[in-house]
Amino acid sequence: RKEVEQDPGPFNVPEGATVAFNCTYSNSASQSFFWYRQDCRKEPKLLMSVYSSGNEDGRFTAQLNRASQYISLLIRDSKLSDSATYLCVVPTGGGNKLTFGTGTQLKVEL
Amino acid sequence: DTGVSQDPRHKITKRGQNVTFRCDPISEHNRLYWYRQTLGQGPEFLTYFQNEAQLEKSRLLSDRFSAERPKGSFSTLEIQRTEQGDSAMYLCASSPEQGDFRGYTFGSGTRLTVV
Repeated sequence: RKEVEQDPGPFNVPEGATVAFNCTYSNSASQSFFWYRQDCRKEPKLLMSVYSSGNEDGRFTAQLNRASQYISLLIRDSKLSDSATYLCVVPTGGGNKLTFGTGTQLKVEL
Repeated sequence: DTGVSQDPRHKITKRGQNVTFRCDPISEHNRLYWYRQTLGQGPEFLTYFQNEAQLEKSRLLSDRFSAERPKGSFSTLEIQRTEQGDSAMYLCASSPEQGDFRGYTFGSGTRLTVV
């Protein structure tokens, strides 16, 4: 089983829609989780951290379900500018490196 | 210092040639990481440095790959005898200290194409 798994998509949604992505992780001892955003041919950038019961930042909500070992990212009122790849990330190896999922591609359309 | 700098941005090389990439981290960051990203995949960890010491290497880092950070500042990643499978984006990142993931910053990457 991969350490971090995501549905690669693409998710094609109309502007204004609500979309949710899930990610599963294999190490039950993991304590920290992150969502990164990566635009085409650019570097990944931290979007949100996910700690304990999750958190919200504007239109974005991240949730953690430890029992089922998955995290989710919810985007409300999606905008054209939200089109990107969303990477689920878990620190591994004693926290010295980041393990990325394959990423989920989101396309927001008019 | 505006972030992590990588040079070159793009490199096209013929199979069998050697290539070297450079990464300049954020100056106060003592940890430096190299990742590789192929099309349709997330970045994969290659190696990391704490100051000048290389503390971990992935199994992805074959004998043809070598990384250095001689003075604990910039780092180089060299690939010898390049193969077409080496074509990827090579990303460098730096962080202030262990566990400080909010400070974990990626450079823009070096895109390598082996023809």
